[in-house]
Amino acid sequence: SAVISQKPSRDICQRGTSLTIQCQVDSQVTMMFWYRQQPGQSLTLIATANQGSEATYESGFVIDKFPISRPNLTFSTLTVSNMSPEDSSIYLCSVEREGRTGELFFGEGSRLTVL
Amino acid sequence: GESVGLHLPTLSVQEGDNSIINCAYSNSASDYFIWYKQESGKGPQFIIDIRSNMDKRQGQRVTVLLNKTVKHLSLQIAATQPGDSAVYFCAENNWGGSEKLVFGKGTKLTVNP
Repeated sequence: SAVISQKPSRDICQRGTSLTIQCQVDSQVTMMFWYRQQPGQSLTLIATANQGSEATYESGFVIDKFPISRPNLTFSTLTVSNMSPEDSSIYLCSVEREGRTGELFFGEGSRLTVL
Repeated sequence: GESVGLHLPTLSVQEGDNSIINCAYSNSASDYFIWYKQESGKGPQFIIDIRSNMDKRQGQRVTVLLNKTVKHLSLQIAATQPGDSAVYFCAENNWGGSEKLVFGKGTKLTVNP
C-alpha cells in the first residue's frame, strides 16, 4: 500500500484568497488523482495529474480555478483559487495501487472552510 | 451517463447483527467495483472489490455481491462491531471507457452497542 501525506490537514480561509494543498506519496506513481468531497456528500474527481504533462480535468472543473502541479513522481499540489464559501470541502489526494488495478489509496484529506 | 447511487443514506444496526449496504449503478459497461469505508475525519479506506466476471467475493467478515442483471451491488458485514461505524461508499470503474472511479452517495452505518 502507499502512504499519502497531505498538508494542510485543515484550514480556514477568507473569501477571495487561494490555498495550495500538497500531496506527498512514499513511492513513485504514474497518476495522482484529486477528489473533492463536499459536506455530507460523496467524492467527485477534480482532475488526474500525470508527471510531465498538464492535468486532465473533469467536467465542471477548470484549470484556472484548480491549478495542479506535478513536478515529480511522488508529489503534487492542488490550488483552490479565488475561494468562495462554496469551495468549503474536503480535498483528497489519491494514487492507484501498483499494477493499475483500479484500486485507489487516499490521503487523509484537507478540510477547507471558506468564510 | 455514469452514476452510482445508494438506496439508503443511513443504516442503524445492533452490535453483533449482520449489516447489508446496497448500491445501484447505472453504467452497464462498468467492470470493476470497490467498497470503501470512510471514518470521520479520515480518507476512504479500501474494503473489498469485485470484477464483473464474478457475482460474489468474500473477505474477512465482509462479502460483496454483484448482480449485473439489475445493476446492483451490496456489501454484507457479518457480526457488525462498533468499529464498523462509518460511511460506506461503492465505486465503479470502466476500464474500457473513462478509467476513473465514480463514487456513489454513501451510506452512514451506525452500530449500537
